[in-house]
Amino acid sequence: GNSVTQMEGPVTLSEEAFLTINCTYTATGYPSLFWYVQYPGEGLQLLLKATKADDKGSNKGFEATYRKETTSFHLEKGSVQVSDSAVYFCALINQAGTALIFGKGTTLSVSS
Amino acid sequence: EADIYQTPRYLVIGTGKKITLECSQTMGHDKMYWYQQDPGMELHLIHYSYGVNSTEKGDLSSESTVSRIRTEHFPLTLESARPSHTSQYLCASSEDRGPQETQYFGPGTRLLVL
Repeated sequence: GNSVTQMEGPVTLSEEAFLTINCTYTATGYPSLFWYVQYPGEGLQLLLKATKADDKGSNKGFEATYRKETTSFHLEKGSVQVSDSAVYFCALINQAGTALIFGKGTTLSVSS
Repeated sequence: EADIYQTPRYLVIGTGKKITLECSQTMGHDKMYWYQQDPGMELHLIHYSYGVNSTEKGDLSSESTVSRIRTEHFPLTLESARPSHTSQYLCASSEDRGPQETQYFGPGTRLLVL
């Protein structure tokens, strides 16, 4: 079945450090891939997405590339800020569009 | 920007009470969802709907029930709340676009059952 595995947190970084949060998936066909972010006390917000192989999603300095050969969608940011502290969820939606499947979430904490 | 609303944002209630968590969206989306988020942050789909009069159970078994009488409204009800129902409940909606669709989330309701 479909599943998403992302690196366990918490990830603790200093401001301006480079961020990578790993995400790999198992799916039949060609799912769309997403990164959602949840700031403290809030719901989830879509951060970026990619709908086909080699697509790169980007938003707010974050990037992720859909790598079919490694079934990965790693999230990266070149220089994190304190305001990036949040929980990040990798997710996929199956080809039928009937279900959004989330990873377990990775907590990022950035200190100044 | 997504227009999806949940009320109340926080609720503390005693065991045995009946509660309804409200979710409304103004985007005209056909599909709506309820997720339960445990303290470890993992999200579990508990209910979804493809449109008016359509409701389905999700991956995680839940004692809650839902209804979809109007497109914009998808309330979740617990007939008799228990401490095991303490959690955060997130509502979401999406257009029916298959693998291209994006789910938009409300701010969540944090429920504490004493």
